[in-house]
Amino acid sequence: QVQLVESGGGVVQPGRSLRLSCAASGFTFSSYAFHWVRQAPGKRLEWVVAISYDGSKTDYADSVKGRFTISRDNSKNTVYLQMNSLRPEDTGVYYCARARSSGWYGDYWGQGTLVTVSS
Amino acid sequence: EIVLTQSPGTLSLSPGERATLSCRASQTISSTYLAWYQRKPGQAPRLLLYGASSRATGIPDRFSGSGSGTDFTLTISRLEPEDFAVYYCHQYVNSFTFGQGTRLEIK
Repeated sequence: QVQLVESGGGVVQPGRSLRLSCAASGFTFSSYAFHWVRQAPGKRLEWVVAISYDGSKTDYADSVKGRFTISRDNSKNTVYLQMNSLRPEDTGVYYCARARSSGWYGDYWGQGTLVTVSS
Repeated sequence: EIVLTQSPGTLSLSPGERATLSCRASQTISSTYLAWYQRKPGQAPRLLLYGASSRATGIPDRFSGSGSGTDFTLTISRLEPEDFAVYYCHQYVNSFTFGQGTRLEIK
């Protein structure tokens, strides 16, 4: 069955970096795009970034552009989110989601990993 | 940015009752680009409907969706105990945004 497992979350100081991973199984990884979506405490879900099936196309929310980088390794069935220059407002649960294309809804989601940016 | 506003914020019903959840968009969107999700505590969001009314794989037929333009509805015809959760609408026509959620709780 389709499984997405996020990891890499934790507590980090403002200005520091963190890398999240999303390990996928149960389907042909290289055929799908992926999104990262986050939810800050008490806020609605916020789309962060998307990557195409082959990594050639990426799209970022303005709030993270220039600070976050999405990538994928199709040999490891894993999507990454490199988060630099973290801010307190980046705190939240980060979910990865599989999508038919980078412009489409996520049909399977992971359970999320918590990122806390605090001094 | 397209803002999605869901109502009510919380809906208190009993098993067996009918639930009607609303999602209003700040501008017209094609129904092709509207989805609904269910999320339970500690679990991954689960896709229920896409294209406003098409059920995702494995979703029971008590879940249905309708709407067009700016107003969309998720209906659960007869609530089962496992349906009590938070529901989100989501548009993917113009970037990606989500509603703030409707909490469906047991009365």
